[in-house]
Amino acid sequence: AQKITQTQPGMFVQEKEAVTLDCTYDTSDPSYGLFWYKQPSSGEMIFLIYQGSYDQQNATEGRYSLNFQKARKSANLVISASQLGDSAMYFCAMREGDSSYKLIFGSGTRLLVRP
Amino acid sequence: GAVVSQHPSRVICKSGTSVKIECRSLDFQATTMFWYRQFPKQSLMLMATSNEGSKATYEQGVEKDKFLINHASLTLSTLTVTSAHPEDSSFYICSPRDTVRDTEAFFGQGTRLTVV
Repeated sequence: AQKITQTQPGMFVQEKEAVTLDCTYDTSDPSYGLFWYKQPSSGEMIFLIYQGSYDQQNATEGRYSLNFQKARKSANLVISASQLGDSAMYFCAMREGDSSYKLIFGSGTRLLVRP
Repeated sequence: GAVVSQHPSRVICKSGTSVKIECRSLDFQATTMFWYRQFPKQSLMLMATSNEGSKATYEQGVEKDKFLINHASLTLSTLTVTSAHPEDSSFYICSPRDTVRDTEAFFGQGTRLTVV
């Protein structure tokens, strides 16, 4: 079974509007962390936001916020006021609470911001 | 964020040759290094995990004799693709673990390998 699922291979958004990128996860570990990364065409992985499983509030970082619904096992990324520079691949990832500390990535969503 | 330096950023090599990729954590000590591979239009897949001073642990389906990992110091890990073939062409990216700043995972800039 997929541990991290991103069901939107591609998304369009109009510049200055908000967009939500979906991510669901599957784990039986009570301790885990959820990450979102942006990957432009250059390939670098740009950290956006982190949500811990025990965090009471949804994480926010500037124009990025994470809609964390623990019971539904979803961790959707919301980008407000989209900019042309937001066009990129976006990956959701999970780190389980075991000692390995490795990240498991979803398949990604390609976001295209239209002017 | 942390400074991670991965080199080279791009390499083209002939089939049958070996390629070494270096990954350095410049402002923290990394006892653990993760190596990922990303094929075009796909996600990052973990290849192996190395711990400083010990043998790497490889994920299922990754040949340890083909992808040699050396993690001899707390700031440097290398991945050597031996006897490279065109199907090894991919984007390789390292991620050293920072045990202090664990709410963010840091990555190198990646190495785009093309085997001709």
